Amino acid sequence: EAGVTQSPTHLIKTRGQQATLRCSPISGHTSVYWYQQALGLGLQFLLWYDEGEERNRGNFPPRFSGRQFPNYSSELNVNALELEDSALYLCASSSDRSQETQYFGPGTRLLVL
Amino acid sequence: AQTVTQSQPEMSVQEAETVTLSCTYDTSENNYYLFWYKQPPSRQMILVIRQEAYKQQNATENRFSVNFQKAAKSFSLKISDSQLGDTAMYFCAFMKPSAISSGSARQLTFGSGTQLTVLP
Repeated sequence: EAGVTQSPTHLIKTRGQQATLRCSPISGHTSVYWYQQALGLGLQFLLWYDEGEERNRGNFPPRFSGRQFPNYSSELNVNALELEDSALYLCASSSDRSQETQYFGPGTRLLVL
Repeated sequence: AQTVTQSQPEMSVQEAETVTLSCTYDTSENNYYLFWYKQPPSRQMILVIRQEAYKQQNATENRFSVNFQKAAKSFSLKISDSQLGDTAMYFCAFMKPSAISSGSARQLTFGSGTQLTVLP
């Protein structure tokens, strides 16, 4: 069984640009979660999508947004990039049967110059 | 709001020995979930073990076991017969069940991590 996949593995952008990160959940998983792991700030919850809807949002500004597609894959969009957005962005997924257990992908490392 | 504290930023252990990583948390909830994840140098976050607060029995997964003390709000991870591949950053995490509160539903709250190095 394939795990959570994320693309790209690395992304380099400049300040003010937009970044799009992609995530494919484990087959059969309907919920997707996004976390930011920035140096000095630890792991912080960003967003939770389930059945195409945003269900919960962490303490991040509106320029962090996303969506979930009918096949349950997800995109995270970060607009008007700032230097402090440089981080590892982790996607996780969970199934209906085991909603509380999240399985993580390898992450996308975003560098904002 | 929930908080998770890992007071040991770094630890080391000799191969084949046993090590215990500490975690404490603060919550007013009675039912919740606790997790240990490991993040090796590859940066992939891997689930190690999970504990439901309503279960008194401590969870075990092969060489990994927990000591869950609900009254003390303590959730330590014991690694037996440590192997070189256990070298990683270990994160303790807390989650409220989604049925109870929508304010932080399905949101994992992580501790700051403990870097464990297994020495040959």
